Amino acid sequence: DIQMTQSPSSLSASVGDRVTITCRASQSIDIYVNWYQQKPGKAPNLLIYPASSFPSGVPSRFRGSGSGTDFTLTISSLQPEDFATYYCQQSYITPLTFGGGTKVEIK
Amino acid sequence: EVQLVESGGGLVQPGRSLRLSCIGSGFTFGDYALSWFRQAPGKGLEWVGFIRSKADGETTEYAASGKGTFIISRDDSKGIVYLQMNSLKTEDTAVYFCSRGVWGSYRYFFDNWGQGTLVTVSS
Repeated sequence: DIQMTQSPSSLSASVGDRVTITCRASQSIDIYVNWYQQKPGKAPNLLIYPASSFPSGVPSRFRGSGSGTDFTLTISSLQPEDFATYYCQQSYITPLTFGGGTKVEIK
Repeated sequence: EVQLVESGGGLVQPGRSLRLSCIGSGFTFGDYALSWFRQAPGKGLEWVGFIRSKADGETTEYAASGKGTFIISRDDSKGIVYLQMNSLKTEDTAVYFCSRGVWGSYRYFFDNWGQGTLVTVSS
C-alpha cells in the first residue's frame, strides 16, 4: 500500500497568514493527489484534485502543487473559515490512502 | 443540487451484520462510481471501497480491512448504494460516509459526500 505522510500534523496560524501543508507519498504517484477540508462533525469537502485542479466554489487562495512523491497545499491568506483539518489522499492506485491530517488552528 | 444521504447506522453487537444505504439525488446516479469511507472517533479518514458505474462494469474494490466481509452494491433504478457489513468488529466503529466518484485525468476523485452515519460496534 502507498503511505501518505502529511506534515505538520497541526499548526497554529493567524488570519492573513500563508499556510503550507505537505504530503509525501511512499512511491511515485504521478499527479494523483486530492486534498480535502473537514470541519468538526462535517463531511470532507473536496478542495483540489489531480493535482492542482479545483472544483467550482473553492476560493482561489487554495492551491495545490506537486508530482511524483511530494505535494503541497497552500492557503495564500488564511481566512477565519479555513480553520479546519486538511487531508491529502492518493488516487493513483487502490487501496486509496489518506495522509494523517493537518489541523489548522487559530493562533 | 447533488445530495447524498446515508442511513442505517446504529449500535450493533460484535459478529453481527449491518447494511448501510446511501441515496443520491440531483445527478444521474448511474453514471458515477460510488465510494464508502469511514472515520473512527477522533481519527482520520479511511477508504472502505467503491463500486464503479454500470458502464464500467459495476466492479468493486475494497480496502483490506473489509475484504471478504464488506460488500458494496448499487441499485441505479432507486439511486441507492449499499454497504453490507458482516462479522462486525469493535474496530469497525466509525462514521461511514458515501461519496460520488468522478473519473478525471484517468483517476477518481470524490466531489460530493453525504453527512455520514454512525456505526457503533459494542456488546
